Amino acid sequence: QVQLEESGPGLVKPSETLSLTCTVSGGSISSYYWSWIRQPPGKGLEWIGYIYSNGNTNYNSSLKSRVTISVDLSKNQFSLNLTSVSAADTAVYYCARGGNAAAPHYWGQGTLVTVSS
Amino acid sequence: DIQMTQSPSTLSASVGDRVTITCRASQSISIWLAWYQKKPGKAPYLLVYGASSLESGVPSRFSGSGSGTDFTLTISSLQPDDFATYYCLHYSTYWAFGQGTKVEIK
Repeated sequence: QVQLEESGPGLVKPSETLSLTCTVSGGSISSYYWSWIRQPPGKGLEWIGYIYSNGNTNYNSSLKSRVTISVDLSKNQFSLNLTSVSAADTAVYYCARGGNAAAPHYWGQGTLVTVSS
Repeated sequence: DIQMTQSPSTLSASVGDRVTITCRASQSISIWLAWYQKKPGKAPYLLVYGASSLESGVPSRFSGSGSGTDFTLTISSLQPDDFATYYCLHYSTYWAFGQGTKVEIK
C-alpha cells in the first residue's frame, strides 16, 4: 500500500520560502506523477503543480512564478518550494500521487503551514 | 485556463434522499474529470474518475456521468457517512478544482 507523508516547518515568516517534502513509502516514486495541492482555512482545494519522476513539471499558472517542485529518486521523495510567501499562502498542504491524466488516489494526511511573523 | 464551476455550493438533504451535484467546465474536457469527498481534517477521497468510473471500494450508491463540459455526481440514497464536501477535479495537463459542494443535514 502506497503511503505519502508531508514534512516541513509549520510556521514560515512572510516573504520567506515555504519548503515541504513528501516521502513515499510502499512503492517506488519512479514512473509516476506526483502532485501538491493545498486548502486554505475555510476555502476549497487548489492545485499547485505536479512532477513526473523524470523531472518534468507543470504548475498552476497563478503560482508558477513562485513554485518549484523537485524529485529525489534516491530518497523516494519529492519537494515543494514556494517563494515570497504571504498570509494568503497559509493552508493545509497535501502531497498526492497523480498528474497528467492521472487522478490522484493516494494522498498524504496533509500538513498545516501558517505564514506569520 | 479551464475553470470548473460546481453547483450548488451548499445542499441540505436527509438520509435516504437522492442527491445530485453538478460540475461545469469552461471548455470541453472530454472525460478528464474526477469527484472527491472531503471531510474536515482528512485527505480527499477519490470516488469517481474518468467522469463515470467508480473507484474500487466506493459504495455503488455513488455514480458519475457526463462528458465535454457538463458532469454530474449522484448519490442515490444519502447515508449518514455521506455528509461532507464534494469537489470535482479536471485533471489533464493542467488541473482545476471546482469550488466545492457542502452536503449538510436538513
